[in-house]
Amino acid sequence: DAKTTQPPSMDCAEGRAANLPCNHSTISGNEYVYWYRQIHSQGPQYIIHGLKNNETNEMASLIITEDRKSSTLILPHATLRDTAVYYCIVRVVFRGTFGTGTRLTIIP
Amino acid sequence: DTEVTQTPKHLVMGMTNKKSLKCEQHMGHRAMYWYKQKAKKPPELMFVYSYEKLSINESVPSRFSPECPNSSLLNLHLHALQPEDSALYLCASSQEGIAGSGTYGYTFGSGTRLTVV
Repeated sequence: DAKTTQPPSMDCAEGRAANLPCNHSTISGNEYVYWYRQIHSQGPQYIIHGLKNNETNEMASLIITEDRKSSTLILPHATLRDTAVYYCIVRVVFRGTFGTGTRLTIIP
Repeated sequence: DTEVTQTPKHLVMGMTNKKSLKCEQHMGHRAMYWYKQKAKKPPELMFVYSYEKLSINESVPSRFSPECPNSSLLNLHLHALQPEDSALYLCASSQEGIAGSGTYGYTFGSGTRLTVV
């Protein structure tokens, strides 16, 4: 499985856009990029996923570079409730390996 | 119903005890997973069941024994655990197609926090 690399921590001001990067330089052509977040040792929560194209849903946007070696999760208007650990995962079939994640802290 | 339900939420067991963790989903998902998460670490895959058959065992010690009685239920039987097995145990499910393309995301339960004393 492709491995992911994320910065260990980031801060973002409340109301601003939070941009979380992920490097997955060994991703193969059939592996999807998924993003999850985990709040206070609850179960991880699905945010968004994509293969090649940029994606947007009610929670976030996912920007995948053309060579697919990296991606960025964008939370457009961060709130205090977005404080969590964010995991980027590349996944094929049943295997999805979690990276070490980014601890995002939203600052009031 | 869009949830994965795990019971119990907390469990304390001795090293000689036998206990079971239970996971249930009614979304019609055909793949179910057990993950283990130690404090301040990412979840680590333990087992995957697809169509009620064990598809992946990530070299998990035999003191952990998974069981999938039907498409909605997943159990993890625990026996002779060690204190280092204390962790958050997460169950997840996904709507895997026959090809298992990875198109579908996971739905996670809230986990069982296990303490082995």
